[in-house]
Amino acid sequence: DVKVTQSSRYLVKRTGEKVFLECVQDMDHENMFWYRQDPGLGLRLIYFSYDVKMKEKGDIPEGYSVSREKKERFSLILESASTNQTSMYLCASNSLDRGFNEKLFFGSGTQLSVL
Amino acid sequence: GENVEQHPSTLSVQEGDSAVIKCTYSDSASNYFPWYKQELGKRPQLIIDIRSNVGEKKDQRIAVTLNKTAKHFSLHITETQPEDSAVYFCAARGKSSNYKLTFGKGTLLTVNP
Repeated sequence: DVKVTQSSRYLVKRTGEKVFLECVQDMDHENMFWYRQDPGLGLRLIYFSYDVKMKEKGDIPEGYSVSREKKERFSLILESASTNQTSMYLCASNSLDRGFNEKLFFGSGTQLSVL
Repeated sequence: GENVEQHPSTLSVQEGDSAVIKCTYSDSASNYFPWYKQELGKRPQLIIDIRSNVGEKKDQRIAVTLNKTAKHFSLHITETQPEDSAVYFCAARGKSSNYKLTFGKGTLLTVNP
């Protein structure tokens, strides 16, 4: 089965710190995504990447950047963490090349608290 | 971009009853509509999806219907069980959002034994 692994389950950081959230998938998927999940707001797309070194802004990219140097790894970077970035962050991946199956595979999430 | 509205935000049913969750979307060119289930403390998982060339799809106790004219789609769960308790998210993928998935805000379904 596909495994999408996020490096930390819980993270506590201070305002102004630079924060790295790491995500690794093991199924050679082309597409990788970072979502933010907040109660009552659903899943909101921050950034996605459809190939190595390619990235596209999602719906709420402000305050975030991403890096995809290798196909299996997609990093989310908070350049200067702020309290309003306290949230659950979910990484996901999929591939559109295999029988047109668009199923998203999610990681278990990183609960980030910015104090 | 695409806008997806989901209702209700919470739904409580008795075990054995049916549950219906409804979503509307804004982009008439949207062509893919998945539903994800997220149990408490777990990751979202795809439970069923439908494409715009199909009006209904069933998988055991769950079904999804799509009305392209009205731009809405619904999830139907029959004979609900306590393990159906979860947050359910609908989503739509359309041209206006550069083919990215846009999710609804979620419905917390509680099935009471």
